[in-house]
Amino acid sequence: AQRVTQPEKLLSVFKGAPVELKCNYSYSGSPELFWYVQYSRQRLQLLLRHISRESIKGFTADLNKGETSFHLKKPFAQEEDSAMYYCALSSGTASKLTFGTGTRLQVTL
Amino acid sequence: GAGVSQSPSNKVTEKGKDVELRCDPISGHTALYWYRQSLGQGLEFLIYFQGNSAPDKSGLPSDRFSAERTGGSVSTLTIQRTQQEDSAVYLCASSLVAGGSYEQYFGPGTRLTVT
Repeated sequence: AQRVTQPEKLLSVFKGAPVELKCNYSYSGSPELFWYVQYSRQRLQLLLRHISRESIKGFTADLNKGETSFHLKKPFAQEEDSAMYYCALSSGTASKLTFGTGTRLQVTL
Repeated sequence: GAGVSQSPSNKVTEKGKDVELRCDPISGHTALYWYRQSLGQGLEFLIYFQGNSAPDKSGLPSDRFSAERTGGSVSTLTIQRTQQEDSAVYLCASSLVAGGSYEQYFGPGTRLTVT
């Protein structure tokens, strides 16, 4: 069975501080990992996916198969980064996403 | 273009009643998914449709839940004899085709409250 774990329900950081949102997964095959974000009063949207190896809004995430992790990082947090972040996994052949419980990022001045 | 739309946005119903939730996917998207977000929990997969293939119903929590997709477009999620534990936000998503690498576009959700 596949599982995604986000150990922190809430992460509060100061503006300009580094951010790391943790995500660990369990899956026996080759997973595809995603980060989705939900800003206040907006719908859930894709932030980034590991296969793209891209940086979106200053965020990056590296898939570490040895540690089965896909942590989301940003060197300098901005107020507009405050949102709910969900890590998700897809097995590739099966389209359904398995989500973590989410981490609320709160960036304060 | 228009995104995924869902209706109603909010639904309050009495325990034991049936409810229907509607999803209009992005035009041209062949894959459609339903998820549920309960208080304090992550998003839980319910069912997905891909074209004319048989749907993957593996996430439906009980036989009170069913879904259909007519004409490869609009989908309806039906919950019969609602229970209080069915209270949640029900999210619909669509993607161009099914497959892990394709982005899923989410609707705004329907908040269901069972009293």
